[in-house]
Amino acid sequence: DQQVKQNSPSLSVQEGRISILNCDYTNSMFDYFLWYKKYPAEGPTFLISISSIKDKNEDGRFTVFLNKSAKHLSLHIVPSQPGDSAVYFCAASELTGGGNKLTFGTGTQLKVEL
Amino acid sequence: DARVTQTPRHKVTEMGQEVTMRCQPILGHNTVFWYRQTMMQGLELLAYFRNRAPLDDSGMPKDRFSAEMPDATLATLKIQPSEPRDSAVYFCASGLAPGDSPLHFGNGTRLTVT
Repeated sequence: DQQVKQNSPSLSVQEGRISILNCDYTNSMFDYFLWYKKYPAEGPTFLISISSIKDKNEDGRFTVFLNKSAKHLSLHIVPSQPGDSAVYFCAASELTGGGNKLTFGTGTQLKVEL
Repeated sequence: DARVTQTPRHKVTEMGQEVTMRCQPILGHNTVFWYRQTMMQGLELLAYFRNRAPLDDSGMPKDRFSAEMPDATLATLKIQPSEPRDSAVYFCASGLAPGDSPLHFGNGTRLTVT
């Protein structure tokens, strides 16, 4: 039972264009959402997060949008750079329960081409 | 810059052998997680500790896997006996709960069981 789903295993984008990575979740108790970036042979690193009381959070080139009614979030990267090529994981947790356990999606491999 | 440290980085072993993976969480963090990365499941949670007490190990095959925290600076994940299907990358992560600070991951142990 995959509670967090990333339906696109891969995405290819040209340098300078926008990258949009999508994520869907099924558990309505999730109230905090995160994106992690992972390079080969390294652990995932935190990128950006959003609380369920917001619908948008922005940090430089990265923006996360949350649509609670649709149980959908997306990560926008603009402009995309070759160094953004990595696997992106969407994750969710139930913060109000007091825990920080993360449930992850299966990841999307982003390739930014020159 | 505080980091989660995992050892060994790589482990090749024969089926039936015992495998022990170690993790040093970030000093001051009170939650420790073991995740396994597979192609099909993404990052799946194996075990979760808070203040060194196991809170959730439902993702772990109980007959062969065990996770412990002998002290606040060390978490271990053991597989006995190991099987080829255990081949994967195992990540340790630590964080601070309650609160919305993200989990920090180590660089993983790549396990190959032949």
